[in-house]
Amino acid sequence: EPEVTQTPSHQVTQMGQEVILRCVPISNHLYFYWYRQILGQKVEFLVSFYNNEISEKSEIFDDQFSVERPDGSNFTLKIRSTKLEDSAMYFCASTAGAGGYNEQFFGPGTRLTVL
Amino acid sequence: AQSVTQLGSHVSVSEGALVLLRCNYSSSVPPYLFWYVQYPNQGLQLLLKYTSAATLVKGINGFEAEFKKSETSFHLTKPSAHMSDAAEYFCAVSDKNQGGKLIFGQGTELSVKP
Repeated sequence: EPEVTQTPSHQVTQMGQEVILRCVPISNHLYFYWYRQILGQKVEFLVSFYNNEISEKSEIFDDQFSVERPDGSNFTLKIRSTKLEDSAMYFCASTAGAGGYNEQFFGPGTRLTVL
Repeated sequence: AQSVTQLGSHVSVSEGALVLLRCNYSSSVPPYLFWYVQYPNQGLQLLLKYTSAATLVKGINGFEAEFKKSETSFHLTKPSAHMSDAAEYFCAVSDKNQGGKLIFGQGTELSVKP
């Protein structure tokens, strides 16, 4: 069964460093998302991406964040200069169509720890 | 703005007992509603979804949920809990005008006692 994969599963970094979180969405999907979950809090939407551009982003997704689909398979989230408060589980998701009623398929997440 | 409230961050039931996880939503337009489950060290997996067809929705693993517009609720139930149901459950809302992003509730951790 097709699945979304994410690497690494756990990333530890120093404050101020750049990190890139990687995702491989399901191959025939066209819409891609990043969410995050700070420990003990709800899962929050960060950004959606379609046709090689950002469709929507939340207030959390400031200039320190960027997303890219560098090739036909990977979808990446870059945090330029990490802060302590960026420590969270980051989930990638993909779906075949828009409209809000399609199932989003989630990856297992990357746990980011900023020291 | 849309929002989701899950009552009870932790619910504990005995094996074989009824499972009831509560979800209330707020939306200015007819919503699409979802229940996702997260097992330890795994991603979120869709249990079921409501997309304006039948108000009683059946999902995987014996779960079902009923959309009640008058109560703005979408509670998740299962008649008989199994040990393997122990997980975190998330209710989420989406709508066509929001480009498909999901707004999640706080999550409910379900424990099942033998």
